[in-house]
Amino acid sequence: AQRVTQPEKLLSVFKGAPVELKCNYSYSGSPELFWYVQYSRQRLQLLLRHISRESIKGFTADLNKGETSFHLKKPFAQEEDSAMYYCALSETQGGSEKLVFGKGTKLTVNP
Amino acid sequence: NAGVMQNPRHLVRRRGQEARLRCSPMKGHSHVYWYRQLPEEGLKFMVYLQKENIIDESGMPKERFSAEFPKEGPSILRIQQVVRGDSAAYFCASSRRTGTGNTIYFGEGSWLTVV
Repeated sequence: AQRVTQPEKLLSVFKGAPVELKCNYSYSGSPELFWYVQYSRQRLQLLLRHISRESIKGFTADLNKGETSFHLKKPFAQEEDSAMYYCALSETQGGSEKLVFGKGTKLTVNP
Repeated sequence: NAGVMQNPRHLVRRRGQEARLRCSPMKGHSHVYWYRQLPEEGLKFMVYLQKENIIDESGMPKERFSAEFPKEGPSILRIQQVVRGDSAAYFCASSRRTGTGNTIYFGEGSWLTVV
């Protein structure tokens, strides 16, 4: 079964410190992976996807197929980065498409 | 574009009552998805619909839950005879299409509390 694992439920760093949110996945095909961010009780927003290889708000994520990982990184965390972060993979099967989410990591950036 | 609109944002129901959650997809989007987020859990897929069709309901509980996306009007997630375990955030999402490169946009969620 497809699965996304985010091993850290909580992550706390100081402003200006590097941050890495871990994500590992299991998928039998060629995965399409995403990071979504949810600020306090707001909608989930797409942060980035692996196929675009772009940097949003200073965040990057590289797909490592050997390690089946898609860790999210930012070299210098800001207080406004405090939010819930969800890693997800897109599962397409039999005409259906769905996102499989990890349980999320709550990032707190302290001043 | 107003984004995916969900209402109500908060709903309180007594055990045994019915809950109806509504979702209007983004303009031009014909694919609608419902996800449930239980406390301390990630989002779990429930159902995927296109206009007037349920494409995949593999994540829907077998009883009491139903969803529709009529030709006109919003998508509705209906929960009959609610129980305390139905208390959760229900997120609707929509997309223009499916496939590689597709972007799924989420609403702000509807928080159901069963008392």
